[in-house]
Amino acid sequence: DVKVTQSSRYLVKRTGEKVFLECVQDMDHENMFWYRQDPGLGLRLIYFSYDVKMKEKGDIPEGYSVSREKKERFSLILESASTNQTSMYLCASRWTGRNTEAFFGQGTRLTVV
Amino acid sequence: AQSVTQLDSHVSVSEGTPVLLRCNYSSSYSPSLFWYVQHPNKGLQLLLKYTSAATLVKGINGFEAEFKKSETSFHLTKPSAHMSDAAEYFCVVSKDSNYQLIWGAGTKLIIKP
Repeated sequence: DVKVTQSSRYLVKRTGEKVFLECVQDMDHENMFWYRQDPGLGLRLIYFSYDVKMKEKGDIPEGYSVSREKKERFSLILESASTNQTSMYLCASRWTGRNTEAFFGQGTRLTVV
Repeated sequence: AQSVTQLDSHVSVSEGTPVLLRCNYSSSYSPSLFWYVQHPNKGLQLLLKYTSAATLVKGINGFEAEFKKSETSFHLTKPSAHMSDAAEYFCVVSKDSNYQLIWGAGTKLIIKP
């Protein structure tokens, strides 16, 4: 069974903290994604990676960075957490190709206080 | 630019009655289209996908969707709603240029007993 695993389901962090969200996939997918989900806004792409050490900005990269040192692992970093980054964060992975579906982790609900 | 529009933010139906969730898309070429479901506090799961093989696509849990090129629509239907169908549903199109996924804002399906 395919699996995308996010390291935490719930996180509470303080304003200004550096926050790491980790994601691991076991399907050998080239592509990995970080999305943010907020009510009424659907999924918004923060960053994606199409290969080890390769990354591209999505629609809302400001305030975030990413790291992909190994194919199976993709990390999202909030350099200095702010309250407007309180949200649900979803990691996904996918084969390359227009017909391929994305597989998602369970999500991390981050609250910044 | 490509886009996907889910025409209803909320749909409420009685258990045992038909479900219709509407989705319109814009795409220059023959698109790849997906429907995902997200149950409360769960990750996203693929319901079905259209990849130009057949215009009527059957998915999991009794859902199906019909691709209508002339109407640029990909509406999701189910003949008889069940309480377990209560969830949020997302319509997604694969971008022509780089195969990234473009997400609709989501439709919350409410099932009345």
